Amino acid sequence: DADVTQTPRNRITKTGKRIMLECSQTKGHDRMYWYRQDPGLGLRLIYYSFDVKDINKGEISDGYSVSRQAQAKFSLSLESAIPNQTALYFCATSDLKGDETDTQYFGPGTRLTVL
Amino acid sequence: GDSVTQMEGPVTLSEEAFLTINCTYTATGYPSLFWYVQYPGEGLQLLLKATKADDKGSNKGFEATYRKETTSFHLEKGSVQVSDSAVYFCALSDPQGAQKLVFGQGTRLTINP
Repeated sequence: DADVTQTPRNRITKTGKRIMLECSQTKGHDRMYWYRQDPGLGLRLIYYSFDVKDINKGEISDGYSVSRQAQAKFSLSLESAIPNQTALYFCATSDLKGDETDTQYFGPGTRLTVL
Repeated sequence: GDSVTQMEGPVTLSEEAFLTINCTYTATGYPSLFWYVQYPGEGLQLLLKATKADDKGSNKGFEATYRKETTSFHLEKGSVQVSDSAVYFCALSDPQGAQKLVFGQGTRLTINP
């Protein structure tokens, strides 16, 4: 089984709808991240969390919110989706301790289309 | 702020050709540098990394050397295969900046048989 899973893998929705993207991990990592990928722009950080009580805004947090329900779960919400939020969304995790704290592990991505 | 610039794609090569994908960065402090690869329909996977100047990261025949004097981390492979077709991302992580990754825009590589 994959260490970092994302649901759904694909979603088509309409402008104004509320959408939640979910991420779960079995790696036991404390740190979790949400990114969006747009063609020609690479990945940009939306939010990150270093533990259940720690949530931080990233580069492009406007229009998004997150919830860290447990160490293993980190959800991204679009309260009122708009077409320019159409993108590929990735969740990632990293370890707080050890020799690999700078390495992030990515989920398979969620392709979101807002009509 | 920190930034990463990669060579523009797409890049198309024949099998067994030599590959170079250029990457330069701007950062305060002493970042770690990474190459991630994204195969079609998949998430990103770490390909290699280097954490200090003059370090060489290597994996699956790919190499990159951390050059502080030129602020570069170019990806190279001596003989590419069709299975290397993917999108390659250069990234940096500032140890003082909460381990956030800053990515380049990605370079799509296609290898023809």
